[in-house]
Amino acid sequence: DIQMTQSPSSLSASVGDRVTITCQASQDISNYLNWYQQKPGKAPKLLIYDASNLETGVPSRFSGSGSGTDFTFTISSLQPEDIATYYCQQYDNLSYTFGQGTKLEIK
Amino acid sequence: EVQLVQSGAEVKKPGESLKISCKGSGYSFTSYWIGWVRQMPGKGLEWMGIIYPGDSDTRYSPSFQGQVTISADKSISTAYLQWSSLKASDTAMYYCAREGLDWGQGTLVTVSS
Repeated sequence: DIQMTQSPSSLSASVGDRVTITCQASQDISNYLNWYQQKPGKAPKLLIYDASNLETGVPSRFSGSGSGTDFTFTISSLQPEDIATYYCQQYDNLSYTFGQGTKLEIK
Repeated sequence: EVQLVQSGAEVKKPGESLKISCKGSGYSFTSYWIGWVRQMPGKGLEWMGIIYPGDSDTRYSPSFQGQVTISADKSISTAYLQWSSLKASDTAMYYCAREGLDWGQGTLVTVSS
């Protein structure tokens, strides 16, 4: 079973800040990694697929990078509407695992 | 437009059985995997399992194997998640998702005596 270690678990930043979240897989997953945003009371929303591809309609301030075991999610300039919890998810060989989540707050 | 519409909230007692549903529309239901995800109150997302409605190939997370059953009826474009004997610890929001791209609105299951 592939484990995903996501950090930090929470993050406080100011509007306009660059925000970075990392995710580490317990084994090589190539680029089989998604990033999701979840706002309170809502279903998750896919932002990034295949580690670095921006889903249609998602603002370009969101980006992802990495391959193998180490991945990074970045918001280049934090906006008030970005307040949410963010999750990574690996999808290697029809086995899926989520990271623990990062709760992002405005400072 | 792709839509996944889940059945409504449920309140059950421990030991009861339950089957919740997820109806897909706007795409070829038999051509995409549908997964189920649990979110316990105030907690993170947990992947439970996945089914390919085209041939009913089903995979489970080790944490949920034997605890739930995932099925699908392709004639009505609907996937299911069922329990034979609910526990209080099954209280959670349950989401279905089409290969992570599109998500249902969630079904809240409350198990309480």
